Amino acid sequence: NAGVTQTPKFQVLKTGQSMTLQCAQDMNHNSMYWYRQDPGMGLRLIYYSASEGTTDKGEVPNGYNVSRLNKREFSLRLESAAPSQTSVYFCASRNPARGREQYFGPGTRLTVT
Amino acid sequence: RKEVEQDPGPFNVPEGATVAFNCTYSNSASQSFFWYRQDCRKEPKLLMSVYSSGNEDGRFTAQLNRASQYISLLIRDSKLSDSATYLCVVNPSGSGNTGKLIFGQGTTLQVKP
Repeated sequence: NAGVTQTPKFQVLKTGQSMTLQCAQDMNHNSMYWYRQDPGMGLRLIYYSASEGTTDKGEVPNGYNVSRLNKREFSLRLESAAPSQTSVYFCASRNPARGREQYFGPGTRLTVT
Repeated sequence: RKEVEQDPGPFNVPEGATVAFNCTYSNSASQSFFWYRQDCRKEPKLLMSVYSSGNEDGRFTAQLNRASQYISLLIRDSKLSDSATYLCVVNPSGSGNTGKLIFGQGTTLQVKP
């Protein structure tokens, strides 16, 4: 049982490039989330998917898109990367039937130059 | 004003000390409260939920004061392994069953030999 996995672990992009961050969970959780974490700030919610087939904006959605490919996978896409998107990105999942605890992946460290 | 505020620290304490962290939240209708632990360059993990009646888990005690809108975490007999960042987390009102969470920026604890 791997929990929540994320790929890649590290990525360097040039301004204007695009990329997709992948997230998968094997816990059969309905809800999945994408956060970014910047120094001196708490984790901020980018997008979430309360259940398969639905996605909604979080606190900081601008510059990102998401796809809930199936129950297991939730990807985050940067269409045209900007230096302000340099951050650590965490994916998380939750089973709504078992409370509000979220389980996090190991993170992707993204640098945009 | 941030929705969830914490003193970032760092708190430097000797082994065996008792240390307490506070966190304040702005939305009086917030529903659920948690402490997460985050080790350096790792993902956050749930440490404990915070109940209105207060709760204890070994050396850790969490308390909620709804009237003053703050949450506390007390760590007794600190161990070197307690060194980490402690995130105060709130489930805001109006989030329904989406599981959305608001994270504080974290309080860093360093336990010294």
